[in-house]
Parts: sequence; structure tokens; C-alpha cells
Amino acid sequence: AQKVTQAQTEISVVEKEDVTLDCVYETRDTTYYLFWYKQPPSGELVFLIRRNSFDEQNEISGRYSWNFQKSTSSFNFTITASQVVDSAVYFCALMTTDSWGKFQFGAGTQVVVTP
Amino acid sequence: NAGVTQTPKFRVLKTGQSMTLLCAQDMNHEYMYWYRQDPGMGLRLIHYSVGEGTTAKGEVPDGYNVSRLKKQNFLLGLESAAPSQTSVYFCASSYGGREGQSEQFFGPGTRLTVL
Repeated sequence: AQKVTQAQTEISVVEKEDVTLDCVYETRDTTYYLFWYKQPPSGELVFLIRRNSFDEQNEISGRYSWNFQKSTSSFNFTITASQVVDSAVYFCALMTTDSWGKFQFGAGTQVVVTP
Repeated sequence: NAGVTQTPKFRVLKTGQSMTLLCAQDMNHEYMYWYRQDPGMGLRLIHYSVGEGTTAKGEVPDGYNVSRLKKQNFLLGLESAAPSQTSVYFCASSYGGREGQSEQFFGPGTRLTVL
């Protein structure tokens, strides 16, 4: 069975602080994909990144960075120098190759950035 | 391109009433999904489709039916609405890929309240 755990329900930071969102996953499959989505207050879900299980390279995109560690089954997301516009709910999701594109989402982490 | 659109955006039903939510995508995607989002529970898959004319059950299918008569449309039906179906419903679509691994694109959501 697949499972995604986002243990942090809500994180509050002051603007310019860094914030790291944890994502721990469980799967027995050796080939799988991990995703992060952002859901701002407007409600839509925005795709941020996809990573496959064979690529453990960390990724940086502007102020966003992702740390994938298979040894700890984690795919953590860091926002550097946070801004008010980063306030949103962030979801981590897992997809395995035998699931026909079905995602298993975590419960989400609410990030609140105050000026 | 409009991407993924959902109709209606809001709806209030009385217990026992029926309704159909419409999802349309103009990206020629093979895969389509219906999720519900409830506080603290992330997104849970209701039904999905891997191609025109096909449908399959997700994690929480009870009380819902779906149809995919045209590739671009995916309909979600509630035959006899219950208060437990009060939720925000999201439709998503994806290219699929060889292993179904492509990212999903989401519609804006439908907020449904069942009294």
C-alpha cells in the first residue's frame, strides 16, 4: 500500500525566513514518482515538481528547493527567504507505476507567511 | 487554452437530490480524475478514467458515479446527495505517459454543500 505523510499541519513564519516542509512516503515499488503541488488561498492546485525514484539529485528552482532521500523515504521542500505570496497549502503526492496515474496525496501543510 | 474547467463552481443541494458535475479539458489528455478535498484529509480519489469509455473506482467511490463518453469530458454524478458529500470537488487530467507518470492538471474546483 502507498502512503504519504505530511506531519506538519501548519507552519507560520515571518517574511524572509526559510521554511522546510517534510514529506515521508511509503511504497514497496522500486519505481515511483513524487510530486509537490501548491494550493494558494484562491483554491486552484498548481504543479511544482515531479521526481522519479531513480533520480536523487536535489533540485532548485528560484527560491524553491527539494531534497529527495530514498534512504529515509523523504522528499522535503524548502522555501528560502519566504514571501507573503508563498502562503498556501502544499501537498506532497506519490504515484507508483502500477497505479495507472493515481496519486496518493498527503494531508497537506498550511504555510502562513506574515510580513 | 482553457485547461481544465469545471461546472458549476458552487452548488447547494438538499439531502436526496441528484446532480452532475461536469469536467472538461482541452489538452487532449488521456487520463482524467475526480477528487474530493476535505479539511485535514488532503485530496482523495473518487473515480478515474484512463481513456474514453473507461472508468474505474478510486479510494472513496461510494455514492458517486462517473461517465467518460467523450475524451475531453468526465462527468461525476451524485444520485442521492448526503450531507457527508459536502466537500470541494476537483477534476484533474494528465497526459498519462508510458507509466502514467505525468503531472496532473487541476480544475478550479466545485464547492458543494448538501443540507
